[in-house]
Amino acid sequence: EAQVTQNPRYLITVTGKKLTVTCSQNMNHEYMSWYRQDPGLGLRQIYYSMNVEVTDKGDVPEGYKVSRKEKRNFPLILESPSPNQTSLYFCASSPDRDNSPLHFGNGTRLTVT
Amino acid sequence: GEDVEQSLFLSVREGDSSVINCTYTDSSSTYLYWYKQEPGAGLQLLTYIFSNMDMKQDQRLTVLLNKKDKHLSLRIADTQTGDSAIYFCVRGRSGGSYIPTFGRGTSLIVHP
Repeated sequence: EAQVTQNPRYLITVTGKKLTVTCSQNMNHEYMSWYRQDPGLGLRQIYYSMNVEVTDKGDVPEGYKVSRKEKRNFPLILESPSPNQTSLYFCASSPDRDNSPLHFGNGTRLTVT
Repeated sequence: GEDVEQSLFLSVREGDSSVINCTYTDSSSTYLYWYKQEPGAGLQLLTYIFSNMDMKQDQRLTVLLNKKDKHLSLRIADTQTGDSAIYFCVRGRSGGSYIPTFGRGTSLIVHP
């Protein structure tokens, strides 16, 4: 089944403790991206990647890192999480850099205390 | 103002039609999308329209695009309780920007 898989679904952590949220897609998509969803703000893009070893900042990249060592994986790294990074995170992918529709994972709910 | 705007809430009675509206400022995108988010789930593509089209119909869904007014609407005919969700209007990536722009989402509540 074609899908985008995020792990974990839920994560509670403390300020400053490094964490990684994984994202994997099995559709051989070139384009992958991370979003955060906050009440009343819709989705905001954190980082995106157009292909292996090619990443770029989205609208809200501060406090986050990503890597794209393989085509299928696009982990989101929070080196020193803070409470304002408590949010619902989504990974998405699409076949190419142009306007193909995005395929979303089911989300990761992160709470930083 | 924001690039993509939509009202936050819509309440309809089961069986009625729902119309969710969206306005945008940047008309350079080739595609405009509607995504649906059910509780506890990710976003799923509902439908999309090319910028050179005025209307697209897909079963109970009708998308209307008014390019002059930069207005997009999604009409759901015979709305059912299973249509209760958040609906996002999305302007596709354009003009060298690889960042799609999401509206804040409209919560559709369908009551019996």
